[in-house]
Amino acid sequence: AQKITQTQPGMFVQEKEAVTLDCTYDTSDPSYGLFWYKQPSSGEMIFLIYQGSYDQQNATEGRYSLNFQKARKSANLVISASQLGDSAMYFCAMRGTPYGGSQGNLIFGKGTKLSVKP
Amino acid sequence: DTEVTQTPKHLVMGMTNKKSLKCEQHMGHRAMYWYKQKAKKPPELMFVYSYEKLSINESVPSRFSPECPNSSLLNLHLHALQPEDSALYLCASSQDQSRGGQGWTQYFGPGTRLLVL
Repeated sequence: AQKITQTQPGMFVQEKEAVTLDCTYDTSDPSYGLFWYKQPSSGEMIFLIYQGSYDQQNATEGRYSLNFQKARKSANLVISASQLGDSAMYFCAMRGTPYGGSQGNLIFGKGTKLSVKP
Repeated sequence: DTEVTQTPKHLVMGMTNKKSLKCEQHMGHRAMYWYKQKAKKPPELMFVYSYEKLSINESVPSRFSPECPNSSLLNLHLHALQPEDSALYLCASSQDQSRGGQGWTQYFGPGTRLLVL
């Protein structure tokens, strides 16, 4: 069965510091994608970053980077230089092939609530 | 700005009402999704449309009825809902349900907050 685990229900970080949000996954699909989404209190799910299972390099998007360790099945999100606007719920998600265990659906972790302190 | 729009932003309805949620995307995507999200929980998939055909129904009660009039529009018709159906309803779209890589990325709308009294 496919599964995403986020072990940090809540985290605090000081403004301008870096923070790492943990995500581990389990799948038997050889081809899969890993995603991070941000959900502020307004409710919208904002796509942040994508990592493919065959990608050789870690994905980066501005202040976001994904620390992909395939052997450990981890896909941690690193946010550099935290800003007050980064306070939100962060979800890690995985998608396998349409013909695999997930039927191509996104599987979400339970989320980590990040609070940035001024 | 998101390219997936949803209306209304908020909806209050009684258990005997009929209402509809609307979703529109302008990215040329061919897969569209409805999710239900309760407070402090991850989104739960309800329906998937691929090329305007319903491809996945995650055992959703018949009081929820999806419709995809064309490749840009997705509706969710609501009838005889229960208070436990109160939630945030999110619409999303992706290039194609089968295309791999970044084509799998789902882009979400701002959601509709539904309260059933």
